[in-house]
This record gives sequence, C-alpha cells and structure tokens, in this order.
Amino acid sequence: IAGITQAPTSQILAAGRRMTLRCTQDMRHNAMYWYRQDLGLGLRLIHYSNTAGTTGKGEVPDGYSVSRANTDDFPLTLASAVPSQTSVYFCASSASPQETQYFGPGTRLLVL
Amino acid sequence: QKEVEQDPGPLSVPEGAIVSLNCTYSNSAFQYFMWYRQYSRKGPELLMYTYSSGNKEDGRFTAQVDKSSKYISLFIRDSQPSDSATYLCAMSASGTASKLTFGTGTRLQVTL
Repeated sequence: IAGITQAPTSQILAAGRRMTLRCTQDMRHNAMYWYRQDLGLGLRLIHYSNTAGTTGKGEVPDGYSVSRANTDDFPLTLASAVPSQTSVYFCASSASPQETQYFGPGTRLLVL
Repeated sequence: QKEVEQDPGPLSVPEGAIVSLNCTYSNSAFQYFMWYRQYSRKGPELLMYTYSSGNKEDGRFTAQVDKSSKYISLFIRDSQPSDSATYLCAMSASGTASKLTFGTGTRLQVTL
C-alpha cells in the first residue's frame, strides 16, 4: 500500500507559468487537503475536500485552485505562478474530516 | 501575534535525556491537541492526539495539556538519535481537520 503519492518531487518553475501538483491516495479516504509549509510560518491549509465532488477554501487559497473529481485524486493548480508561491507543498488525507490526517512526502516548488 | 507559538529551536540533547517540547496558544476554544513528528524532507506523521486537559502516555511519549494556562507539552523519555526530527503541535476547536492550526515546529537533535 503506497498511502499518498505526490508528483513531482520537486520542480523549478518560471513565474507566470501554470503548474499542477498531483496527489493520489489509495486508502479510500473521503477527505483530502493541501498545505504549504514555509520556514517560520509552519503548515498552512490552502484548500480541502471533505468528500469527492466538494471543495473548500483554507487559510491561504489565493492563487490556487483544486478539483475533486473522484475519491483518490486531488490536484492543486497554480494558474500563474509567482515567486511567493515558492514552498514545500504537502497533500494529506483522512477517512473523515474528524479523523487522523496522513501526509504525503511533499513537493518542493521553486518559482523564479 | 500568532494563535499558536512554538519555539523553533534547534534543541540539542544527549541520548537518553528527557526532552520537553512546548506550545502556547491564545484561542481558548481549542479543545483538540495533536503532536506531529516530521523527519527531514518527509511529511508530518501524527504522534499523539489528546482531547481537552490532562495527560496521555504512549511508550516513551507523554502529551500534556493545561487549558487553564493555554499550554501544551510533549515529553520524550530516554531520547534516541532516531527521535531527531521537527515536532509540530497542532490544535483545533472543532476536531475538524480543515480547522487545524499548526505551530511552526521545534527542531530536535539527539546526539550520541
């Protein structure tokens, strides 16, 4: 069982480019999340989905969009990347919004 | 002022020492308290989960919550080099993952 996989592992991106970070889980969890982790700021929630077909905004949603077409996949899209979106991005999932979250290995993104 | 404050460290201790990691918070509505461990270049993993005030023990780890002081602690007994990681506290008022607030993390180094 892989748990949560994220792709790519790392990426260097020119400002203004569009980028989709992929997240797939094989635990059949209903809820999925996207966080960014920055030094001195900790983990901050970008978007979440409590169940397939629904999404919600977290603490820092601006500049990001998500979709949840099925249970397993929760892609995060940066429509037009900016340097302030340089960060480590973690996808997570939980069986329900009230249960333990399991995190993926992260994607390191550098926007130049 | 941040809702959750956590000393970033680094904290360096010799093998076998007792480690005390702490977070303070300002939101009196927080009732659910968690500690995550994050190894370098990995995603966070849940270590301990407590509800309301009191202590919870799991092997070498003890989580303590003092709601009257808005202060939570994680104690690690007989610390091992494998405990070297960043420890993140997290808390929420509702128990819902989309409402978790994370501390910035304390980096711990256990030396031989």
